[in-house]
Amino acid sequence: DAKTTQPPSMDCAEGRAANLPCNHSTISGNEYVYWYRQIHSQGPQYIIHGLKNNETNEMASLIITEDRKSSTLILPHATLRDTAVYYCIVMGSYQLTFGKGTKLSVIP
Amino acid sequence: GAVVSQHPSWVICKSGTSVKIECRSLDFQATTMFWYRQFPKQSLMLMATSNEGSKATYEQGVEKDKFLINHASLTLSTLTVTSAHPEDSSFYICSASESSGGVNEQFFGPGTRLTVL
Repeated sequence: DAKTTQPPSMDCAEGRAANLPCNHSTISGNEYVYWYRQIHSQGPQYIIHGLKNNETNEMASLIITEDRKSSTLILPHATLRDTAVYYCIVMGSYQLTFGKGTKLSVIP
Repeated sequence: GAVVSQHPSWVICKSGTSVKIECRSLDFQATTMFWYRQFPKQSLMLMATSNEGSKATYEQGVEKDKFLINHASLTLSTLTVTSAHPEDSSFYICSASESSGGVNEQFFGPGTRLTVL
């Protein structure tokens, strides 16, 4: 599975949109982009996934570039409860390989 | 969404004892279950993958005789840490997937914090 690169940390003001970038320049054609988040001392929570089209659900939006080498997870109105580590994972098989993720801190 | 539970949520044991952790899929049948370990301030590391009714596949560096995995039914997998030592203290997390292959999201349990004294 392709490797991903994410910034180690980001801050976001409460109520504003949080945009979390992810680079996956070695992604191959059949690999999906998955996003999970982990709130401190809890199990990871699935957020969203996509192949090449942009996706939106009740939690977030996923924007994947046309060349699929990068993507952005958008939390439209961040709340304090969105403070967590966000993991971008490229998955072609059924295994998830977690990197270090981005620690998002939502600030009042 | 699908719910995965773990029991116990935390456990403290003496060195040399064995500890069993249960992972259950509550509202779906999990063909495949995964066990992860997470040390403080580190990311999740996959330990093993288990498919119902067959032997688990362990990642490199994970001792299969120390970490016994049983996936006897489509809703239950257990991880037994045998002869636990302080270095086994960690956060153990399971996840479950409905399909044995292909792309499906994994649903994670809340984790079990093991402390070995």
